[in-house]
Amino acid sequence: SQTIHQWPATLVQPVGSPLSLECTVEGTSNPNLYWYRQAAGRGLQLLFYSVGIGQISSEVPQNLSASRPQDRQFILSSKKLLLSDSGFYLCAWSTPGQGYYGYTFGSGTRLTVV
Amino acid sequence: SQKIEQNSEALNIQEGKTATLTCNYTNYSPAYLQWYRQDPGRGPVFLLLIRENEKEKRKERLKVTFDTTLKQSLFHITASQPADSATYLCALSSGGYQKVTFGTGTKLQVIP
Repeated sequence: SQTIHQWPATLVQPVGSPLSLECTVEGTSNPNLYWYRQAAGRGLQLLFYSVGIGQISSEVPQNLSASRPQDRQFILSSKKLLLSDSGFYLCAWSTPGQGYYGYTFGSGTRLTVV
Repeated sequence: SQKIEQNSEALNIQEGKTATLTCNYTNYSPAYLQWYRQDPGRGPVFLLLIRENEKEKRKERLKVTFDTTLKQSLFHITASQPADSATYLCALSSGGYQKVTFGTGTKLQVIP
């Protein structure tokens, strides 16, 4: 069965420090991968999506970047965190080309920038 | 711009009753509409998907309707239980590479 792993679960980082959040998917090949951010009391904001290795599309100009070095690995990074980067970060995957069955989300990373 | 509206106020209902949540959208012609459940501090969990050419879909105690004329979806939980208490998110997609736009969700509280 397919599983999605996201870590760490919580993270407290100072302003100006770098960030690396990792997401891996098991049990499927060539998934579509997504990074979302959820601010308190707000909806899910799509940050990046990827339809294949090395293929990254950005939805929102920001202080963050994403990479997909392997088929089932998706990384969210920042060189210098801002206070506004605080939030709940969620990785998700979906199956392309087989109809549409919804997203499967990871358990999320709660990032607090101090 | 595209907009998805869900009632931001919490919905409180008595155990055993039917809970009905509303999702309205504007400036959008979605091919798919989905509902997710999100518990505090957790990622959303996919519940149901309905296509634009479907009027209604059911899964156990859940029922979703999709009215493309009214630009509205209703999400029903029958015989509600305290374990159904969570935030429920509506999400729309136009298909293609499956980019999905989420609403802000409605918090449901089922009172024993």
